[in-house]
Amino acid sequence: EPEVTQTPSHQVTQMGQEVILRCVPISNHLYFYWYRQILGQKVEFLVSFYNNEISEKSEIFDDQFSVERPDGSNFTLKIRSTKLEDSAMYFCASYGYGGGFTDTQYFGPGTRLTVL
Amino acid sequence: GENVEQHPSTLSVQEGDSAVIKCTYSDSASNYFPWYKQELGKRPQLIIDIRSNVGEKKDQRIAVTLNKTAKHFSLHITETQPEDSAVYFCAAPWAGNQFYFGTGTSLTVIP
Repeated sequence: EPEVTQTPSHQVTQMGQEVILRCVPISNHLYFYWYRQILGQKVEFLVSFYNNEISEKSEIFDDQFSVERPDGSNFTLKIRSTKLEDSAMYFCASYGYGGGFTDTQYFGPGTRLTVL
Repeated sequence: GENVEQHPSTLSVQEGDSAVIKCTYSDSASNYFPWYKQELGKRPQLIIDIRSNVGEKKDQRIAVTLNKTAKHFSLHITETQPEDSAVYFCAAPWAGNQFYFGTGTSLTVIP
């Protein structure tokens, strides 16, 4: 069964550094997402991406964040200047088309980001 | 954005008993409601979902019910087993493709 993959599984960085988290969505999916989960808390929506552009973003997704689909397979999340509070698990998700309904999202295994 | 409330935050049941977790949502246009199970350190895994054109869906020991009028949906797990112990999240879409998650329910099944 196809899966969403993410790299790296764990990223440690110094405060103020830039990080890029990578995701490979399921190949025939059209909608891509990034979520954040701070340890012990709920999953929080960051951004959705469709047709090569951001379709929605949350208040968390400020100017420090950007997303890109640099080729036909990868979907990246960049944090320009990391802060301590960016430490979290970041999940990528994707889904296809539900025939008029919002559809099942499949999550990647996550990247644990630790900002020191 | 969507306001998704989930209750209870923690739930302990004896093995073999049933567990029920409830969520309410605010966007009346929401048309799809998934439930995810998340084990410690792992990704959320979809366990069951329901579209707004039905009121109930079952998959073995798991069922989801939806009340569109009241804007709430519930997860029902029957004959609980220790391996059902995990955190369960509901989610609801807003504006079509933003997903907002509930705050999670930590379920413990006591053998």
